[in-house]
Amino acid sequence: QKEVEQDPGPLSVPEGAIVSLNCTYSNSAFQYFMWYRQYSRKGPELLMYTYSSGNKEDGRFTAQVDKSSKYISLFIRDSQPSDSATYLCAMSLKAAGNKLTFGGGTRVLVKP
Amino acid sequence: ETGVTQSPTHLIKTRGQQVTLRCSSQSGHNTVSWYQQALGQGPQFIFQYYREEENGRGNFPPRFSGLQFPNYSSELNVNALELDDSALYLCASRPARGGKTQYFGPGTRLLVL
Repeated sequence: QKEVEQDPGPLSVPEGAIVSLNCTYSNSAFQYFMWYRQYSRKGPELLMYTYSSGNKEDGRFTAQVDKSSKYISLFIRDSQPSDSATYLCAMSLKAAGNKLTFGGGTRVLVKP
Repeated sequence: ETGVTQSPTHLIKTRGQQVTLRCSSQSGHNTVSWYQQALGQGPQFIFQYYREEENGRGNFPPRFSGLQFPNYSSELNVNALELDDSALYLCASRPARGGKTQYFGPGTRLLVL
């Protein structure tokens, strides 16, 4: 069993819809949680960074962490075709600059 | 743009050969990590270098080795290439100050035939 599980998708939504992504993990020692976006043939780009449990909002993006359930989520409001990409969750034991453990990624398609 | 560059962008090798991949990060980024991303998978941590010393290693055999140089560049070397080494290799660097996160380069796509 992988340390971090993520539904591979693809997740297809119409433009303007809310995109809901999530990851589950098994190691309760993870403290830092991140979401990256990866376009085809590009490196991952950091979208959200959270420490411990709670919610964090940044523009159209909201990240949620529930450490008691070992579950993290990312919501994208008012989705655009440019949001079509693979979304990777990542987490680390110490600061985010250390070893990151990634999920397998969810491919998202936002249709005009 | 993250300021992290990698070369080459693509590479084709045959089984048993050796390969060197290069990464150049921004001034002031004293930590560099390398990740392997197989097709359709998330990146897997290979190792991390801090001030030119290996500072953590994932579950990769010794034929994966690295170097970090004082000029903020680094190398990933892979010996005795195997077919399963075909993947996107990502370099990520972190600022020395205020370094909450890692900035990824575009990757080098390696194909082993």
